[in-house]
Amino acid sequence: QLQLQESGPGLVKPSETLSLICSVSGGSVTSSRYYWGWIRQPPGKGLEWIGSIYYSGSTFYNPSLESRVTISLDTSKNQFSLKLNSVTAADTAVYYCARPVAGSLNGGGGYFDYWGQGALVTVSS
Amino acid sequence: DIVMTQSPDSLAVSLGERATLNCKSSQSVLYSTNNENYLAWYQQKPGQPPKLLIKWASTRESGVPDRFRGSGSGTDFTLTISSLQAEDVAAYYCQQYYNFPFTFGPGTKVDLK
Repeated sequence: QLQLQESGPGLVKPSETLSLICSVSGGSVTSSRYYWGWIRQPPGKGLEWIGSIYYSGSTFYNPSLESRVTISLDTSKNQFSLKLNSVTAADTAVYYCARPVAGSLNGGGGYFDYWGQGALVTVSS
Repeated sequence: DIVMTQSPDSLAVSLGERATLNCKSSQSVLYSTNNENYLAWYQQKPGQPPKLLIKWASTRESGVPDRFRGSGSGTDFTLTISSLQAEDVAAYYCQQYYNFPFTFGPGTKVDLK
């Protein structure tokens, strides 16, 4: 059974970089069938797709965040990571890592069949 | 970007009654070459991650009870819970994966009446 687990600091100062890691167990990040992605949800609000990465290292980012986001793979640790720089209070959210099943017409994944439990990241001084 | 809207924002349904949730996309998510709608539905309970219920607009994910039914095509979609159970109290989101950026609807909250 695939499991994903987010880890990282729960508090980040404004203008600094948010960094999260997603550890994958029960499956491999090198599988060619799947992408690996990040989604966030501000408290009490809806879901926003941040971006996805393919096993080859190809990345797909939400244009609204693209200038500040980096998603990368660490195949040796079976992990993938999220970095979001120059954060503000608007970036306060629960950050989920998830597995998007390949299906979209232009890459990036598709629907999300497995999710981590989520990590609350608060941006505050 | 494809904008997803959902209605109603919330609804209260009695146990055993039917709940009907609507989702609309700003452009068609039907790909004519394979006749598939690139639309998924999720259920999210408080404090939990979303759970995939329906993919391809009408295909139930493994283990999802058959009281959940997805329907619709093109730009208009419906999630029907045929006989609401107490454990179905949750927020429900639709998501398009026709194009990235993948986008979600704002959600519909389902409560017990």
